Amino acid sequence: GQNIDQPTEMTATEGAIVQINCTYQTSGFNGLFWYQQHAGEAPTFLSYNVLDGLEEKGRFSSFLSRSKGYSYLLLKELQMKDSASYLCAVRDLYGGATNKLIFGTGTLLAVQP
Amino acid sequence: DVKVTQSSRYLVKRTGEKVFLECVQDMDHENMFWYRQDPGLGLRLIYFSYDVKMKEKGDIPEGYSVSREKKERFSLILESASTNQTSMYLCASSPPSWPQHFGDGTRLSIL
Repeated sequence: GQNIDQPTEMTATEGAIVQINCTYQTSGFNGLFWYQQHAGEAPTFLSYNVLDGLEEKGRFSSFLSRSKGYSYLLLKELQMKDSASYLCAVRDLYGGATNKLIFGTGTLLAVQP
Repeated sequence: DVKVTQSSRYLVKRTGEKVFLECVQDMDHENMFWYRQDPGLGLRLIYFSYDVKMKEKGDIPEGYSVSREKKERFSLILESASTNQTSMYLCASSPPSWPQHFGDGTRLSIL
């Protein structure tokens, strides 16, 4: 079966660091994506991992361990505008050309002053 | 910048009506997707298309059909709308193997 798990909600303080975890069990693996979605808006692409290790992009980093079926999104120097849902999505083995993704239910992050 | 445009932000229809949701992308992407997003259930794939006139069922295709007559346009059709199809509908497009880009969504209410 296909399953992607993320925490439903998290709370963090402005200026702090937060880590959002994602575990997955899929029929195969061909890449993992993180998206950010503000309330009432479209998801926007944040990061992509296909090999093990850390990908850094400014304040945001994403880590992947394929052997553990695990990823995390790390947000540093949190700002109020980072309050949003963060979606983890996996592209399975057969999704290379069609780019079909399986999404988790998302983690709602609330950043407090 | 990639632009994915959905024809309506908000739509109200009645049970039994045939409903058309339109999506247009301006980046010549091969792949296009229709999702619905519901609280607690996340994004669920309804249908996708990897080429003109090609379509594949996603995870929840029942009650829906799609049309892709031109590369830039992907239409979602609710054949006979029902109240359980009240949802946020999101369209996305992408080239092969690259991130999907989403439209702003259509919040559809079926009364």
